Amino acid sequence: AQTVTQSQPEMSVQEAETVTLSCTYDTSESDYYLFWYKQPPSRQMILVIRQEAYKQQNATENRFSVNFQKAAKSFSLKISDSQLGDAAMYFCAYRSYIPQGGSEKLVFGKGTKLTVNP
Amino acid sequence: NAGVTQTPKFQVLKTGQSMTLQCAQDMNHEYMSWYRQDPGMGLRLIHYSVGAGITDQGEVPNGYNVSRSTTEDFPLRLLSAAPSQTSVYFCASSYEGLAGGLASYEQYFGPGTRLTVT
Repeated sequence: AQTVTQSQPEMSVQEAETVTLSCTYDTSESDYYLFWYKQPPSRQMILVIRQEAYKQQNATENRFSVNFQKAAKSFSLKISDSQLGDAAMYFCAYRSYIPQGGSEKLVFGKGTKLTVNP
Repeated sequence: NAGVTQTPKFQVLKTGQSMTLQCAQDMNHEYMSWYRQDPGMGLRLIHYSVGAGITDQGEVPNGYNVSRSTTEDFPLRLLSAAPSQTSVYFCASSYEGLAGGLASYEQYFGPGTRLTVT
């Protein structure tokens, strides 16, 4: 079974600086998706960024980028120019690529609480 | 589009009571899922469905029932509530397809239901 590990329960960053959140995963599969979700105090789950394992290029979304190391099974999230609104829980998640359907299983890490200091 | 809607937003039950958490989506997604979120545990999959009439168990299915009679709706039933089911429940809908011949996947979460069982 796949597992996702976020080794940093809490992180803090100064406003306007850069922070990196770590995520490692364990799988024997070659095709899959990886995600970072943001959960602010409103508890809404918001997709931050998605990476398909078949893509060698790291995904970016504005100030958010990932460092995807497939061989090392590592998927870190970098937040540049941190803003107060970035303060939230961040969850890393894994999903198998399952052509033709048949299953729907996302595996989540336990989360990292990010604090942004003014 | 309303996206994924959940009702109620909050609920308090006594041990042994039953209730149904409602979930609906208007995006015509085939996949729908229920997760629970407990402190320090991340999100864990309870049940999922890959289409109308098809459901399957996730990681923590005990104490919960689901059915999927339509593409839009995926209710979660607690037949006899227990204090261990105190949690925040998220419904999600998703699709996996091909975009330009390459695999693509997206998932959308509802706003969540906070359930307390006393």
